[in-house]
Amino acid sequence: EPEVTQTPSHQVTQMGQEVILRCVPISNHLYFYWYRQILGQKVEFLVSFYNNEISEKSEIFDDQFSVERPDGSNFTLKIRSTKLEDSAMYFCASSEFHSGWASVGTQYFGPGTRLLVL
Amino acid sequence: SQQGEEDPQALSIQEGENATMNCSYKTSINNLQWYRQNSGRGLVHLILIRSNEREKHSGRLRVTLDTSKKSSSLLITASRAADTASYFCATDARSGGSNYKLTFGKGTLLTVNP
Repeated sequence: EPEVTQTPSHQVTQMGQEVILRCVPISNHLYFYWYRQILGQKVEFLVSFYNNEISEKSEIFDDQFSVERPDGSNFTLKIRSTKLEDSAMYFCASSEFHSGWASVGTQYFGPGTRLLVL
Repeated sequence: SQQGEEDPQALSIQEGENATMNCSYKTSINNLQWYRQNSGRGLVHLILIRSNEREKHSGRLRVTLDTSKKSSSLLITASRAADTASYFCATDARSGGSNYKLTFGKGTLLTVNP
């Protein structure tokens, strides 16, 4: 069964460093997302991406964050200068279609990248 | 406002029993999805129910949706120890323009004792 993959599974970095989290969405999906989950808290939406541009972003997704689809398979999240509070599990997700109701279809999540900022 | 609040926060049952988890939300929605998360792991999609549906089944899972009460329930029948996980509901809120994001609740931690 197709699945979303993410690398690395764990990343430890120093405050102020740049990190790039990588995702390979399911191949025929057109909508891509990043979410994060701080330990013990809710899963929070960061950004959605379609047709090579950001569709929607949350207030968390400030200028330190960027997303890119550099080729036909990868989808990346870059944090330019990490802060301690960026420590979280980051999930990539993808969905196959966007219904006529302007709503998301089923979103399939990857296993996550656990980011620890020291 | 909080969207997708599950209750109970924690539920402990014996293997073979049924587990029922509830989710409430505040805004109108297009879809409601249920996910499972094993400790520290990824989110596994269980079932999606659209706002015009009232009930949906998938194997041992039964989901109901009451849009008048803005609530949903997830029933797991004949539970197994392997069902031990956190269960989340996630909604996409209906509003003007496009909506792409899911809003998650805090989840219910289900423990199934062998």
